[in-house]
Amino acid sequence: AQKVTQAQTEISVVEKEDVTLDCVYETRDTTYYLFWYKQPPSGELVFLIRRNSFDEQNEISGRYSWNFQKSTSSFNFTITASQVVDSAVYFCALSEASGNQFYFGTGTSLTVIP
Amino acid sequence: EAQVTQNPRYLITVTGKKLTVTCSQNMNHEYMSWYRQDPGLGLRQIYYSMNVEVTDKGDVPEGYKVSRKEKRNFPLILESPSPNQTSLYFCASSLNDGESYEQYFGPGTRLTVT
Repeated sequence: AQKVTQAQTEISVVEKEDVTLDCVYETRDTTYYLFWYKQPPSGELVFLIRRNSFDEQNEISGRYSWNFQKSTSSFNFTITASQVVDSAVYFCALSEASGNQFYFGTGTSLTVIP
Repeated sequence: EAQVTQNPRYLITVTGKKLTVTCSQNMNHEYMSWYRQDPGLGLRQIYYSMNVEVTDKGDVPEGYKVSRKEKRNFPLILESPSPNQTSLYFCASSLNDGESYEQYFGPGTRLTVT
């Protein structure tokens, strides 16, 4: 069965601190996709990144970086020098090979204090 | 503007009164999906559609129906709503073309069933 666990329910950091959001997944598939989405207080869901199971390269996009490790079934998300605008709920998600069925974690609510 | 639209955005109804939440996308996406978001549970997939006339159950399909008669539309039907279907509902679409699986979400529909 597919499963995504985000053990951190809520995190608070002071502005400019670095913060890492954890995501652990379970799947029996050899091909799968991992995603991160952001849900700001306004409520919309914003796509951040997709990773294929066969591509373990870490990725950096500005202040955001993602660390994908198949050995530990983790896909962690780090925000460097956090800003108030980063305050949101962040969801990690897993999709099987066909890209049809999606499994979301329960989300991590990040509050960045000015 | 490329977008997924949902209507209505807010709905209060009574138990047993049939309702439909519409979803439309203008990106010519093959794939569409419905989710519900509940506190502490993250997003859970209700139904998805790989193409016109092709739909399948997600994790929590009980009490819901869908249809995909046109590529751009994917309505969610609650034939006899119950209070446990009070939730925030999101529609999403994606290309699902073998390379692109990221989903683009609508603004959400907040449903209350009394």
